[in-house]
Amino acid sequence: AQRVTQPEKLLSVFKGAPVELKCNYSYSGSPELFWYVQYSRQRLQLLLRHISRESIKGFTADLNKGETSFHLKKPFAQEEDSAMYYCALSGFTNKLIFGTGTLLAVQP
Amino acid sequence: DTAVSQTPKYLVTQMGNDKSIKCEQNLGHDTMYWYKQDSKKFLKIMFSYNNKELIINETVPNRFSPKSPDKAHLNLHINSLELGDSAVYFCASSHRGKGDYGYTFGSGTRLTVV
Repeated sequence: AQRVTQPEKLLSVFKGAPVELKCNYSYSGSPELFWYVQYSRQRLQLLLRHISRESIKGFTADLNKGETSFHLKKPFAQEEDSAMYYCALSGFTNKLIFGTGTLLAVQP
Repeated sequence: DTAVSQTPKYLVTQMGNDKSIKCEQNLGHDTMYWYKQDSKKFLKIMFSYNNKELIINETVPNRFSPKSPDKAHLNLHINSLELGDSAVYFCASSHRGKGDYGYTFGSGTRLTVV
């Protein structure tokens, strides 16, 4: 079964601290993994996709097939990073399955 | 120049009413989706259409009926609204078979049933 797990509902850090948002997945084939971000009362926006190996707004995520993880990292958190972050998986059906989300709160 | 637009943005209605939410995309995508975000911020897919054909129909009450007049539009009609239908409904679109592009989401419709 396809599943995405985000174990933390809330992650609170101070400005300038490193951030790691955890994501683990369950999928029998080769999944496409994504991170989406939702700022307060706004639409979901694509942040990262594993296939492009890019860094957006200082965030990076590496797909670890051995650990079935796709953790999102940023070395120095900014207050404007405060948002809801969703890890998502797309398989052969093209259906995007979301994790339950992690609310990142960056304190000044 | 919005890529995926939904109307209305807010919808407040009484129990038992019938309402519709409209979605349009101008990205040339061939697949559109409806997602429901509940009060705990959990996102769950409801329906997906590819070139006007229903391809995903999750376990959703049959009071919910999607309609796709063409591949740029996917509307959601809800009959006999219930309190539990209160949520934010997001429309999205993508290219089927090109999942690495990800989805583009609309800004959401906040439905409140009173």
